[in-house]
Amino acid sequence: AQTVTQSQPEMSVQEAETVTLSCTYDTSESDYYLFWYKQPPSRQMILVIRQEAYKQQNATENRFSVNFQKAAKSFSLKISDSQLGDAAMYFCAYRRVDDKIIFGKGTRLHILP
Amino acid sequence: DAGITQSPRYKITETGRQVTLMCHQTWSHSYMFWYRQDLGHGLRLIYYSAAADITDKGEVPDGYVVSRSKTENFPLTLESATRSQTSVYFCASRVDRNNSPLHFGNGTRLTVT
Repeated sequence: AQTVTQSQPEMSVQEAETVTLSCTYDTSESDYYLFWYKQPPSRQMILVIRQEAYKQQNATENRFSVNFQKAAKSFSLKISDSQLGDAAMYFCAYRRVDDKIIFGKGTRLHILP
Repeated sequence: DAGITQSPRYKITETGRQVTLMCHQTWSHSYMFWYRQDLGHGLRLIYYSAAADITDKGEVPDGYVVSRSKTENFPLTLESATRSQTSVYFCASRVDRNNSPLHFGNGTRLTVT
């Protein structure tokens, strides 16, 4: 069964610095989709970035980018120029071929002013 | 307003009672999902539906029942609530396109006493 592992329950970063959140997954599928979601204290779930496994190029959305290593089954999220509004819980998610979307346990990110 | 709406926002119920959490989306998305969020577990998939009258179990379906008679509605019923079902419940939907992300409701916080 596919699993998603986020090994860092909590992280802290100084405002304006760069931070990388790690995510690994286990799968035997060759084609799949990966996502990062952000959950601020409001509890709302917000899509940050997505990646198709068949694409070699790493996805980028403004200050957010991923390092997708398909062979290593790794999908880390890099946040550049961290801002106070980036403080949130971040979830990595994997979409299976049967359309089930499985989430990791999350990483709580603190931004230090 | 267009979107995905969950009700109620908060619910307190007693052990053994039946409770139904409502989810309504106005986008006509094919896929709908129910997740529960618990500290230390992230989001876990309870049930999902690929279309009206098509549902399938997720990771933690025991104790829950779903139905989907109309595309826009996907209620989740706890037939006999237990304390272990105290959680935050999220409904989500997505369009039938490969890289489409989940769109989440604002969640229902359920407390079983």
